[in-house]
Amino acid sequence: SQQGEEDPQALSIQEGENATMNCSYKTSINNLQWYRQNSGRGLVHLILIRSNEREKHSGRLRVTLDTSKKSSSLLITASRAADTASYFCATGARNSGGYQKVTFGTGTKLQVIP
Amino acid sequence: DTAVSQTPKYLVTQMGNDKSIKCEQNLGHDTMYWYKQDSKKFLKIMFSYNNKELIINETVPNRFSPKSPDKAHLNLHINSLELGDSAVYFCASSQGSGVRETQYFGPGTRLLVL
Repeated sequence: SQQGEEDPQALSIQEGENATMNCSYKTSINNLQWYRQNSGRGLVHLILIRSNEREKHSGRLRVTLDTSKKSSSLLITASRAADTASYFCATGARNSGGYQKVTFGTGTKLQVIP
Repeated sequence: DTAVSQTPKYLVTQMGNDKSIKCEQNLGHDTMYWYKQDSKKFLKIMFSYNNKELIINETVPNRFSPKSPDKAHLNLHINSLELGDSAVYFCASSQGSGVRETQYFGPGTRLLVL
């Protein structure tokens, strides 16, 4: 079954505002990653947070992880038109063979209006 | 230079045909993946190879056969194409198959089965 559910499915904000996207998952994980996908392109890795971490920053990105609630959030501060894209959370966990299996969420489509 | 490349970028074909998609990475990674992204943007792992060995094989019809001639290449052959195979197929690679490995994605191959 699908691991990550993202909320909202779509978000439209004005340039300069902050954008917050949430991800919930169902089973235990080793890490959680956020990826970005521009229209018609492949996914680009943004940030990884480990299961023993609660918060991580990278430039204008802030990620939080609450393993007790099985949820994560991605905050993009001072958004720009170029941030317009779909954002996916991806949970990493070992499969029965001991290898990492990454399961992607449904994605949040962000539109930043200039 | 493109890190993960896929060919072709677009593929339009008739139902029942057999087709192949090729993937190459020049990052020196030892693990490669195939994902399928459907029309609702849901991204699902299909296969993963580590050092040419199959390590993840999700519930995929056996019409899909991956082949890894070496660590830098992972090709996907699809027999007897069906309408439901229409999707975007992404190749990805990572260094190692552990739970903290970042995956690098190709630009995708848009397959349309008529």
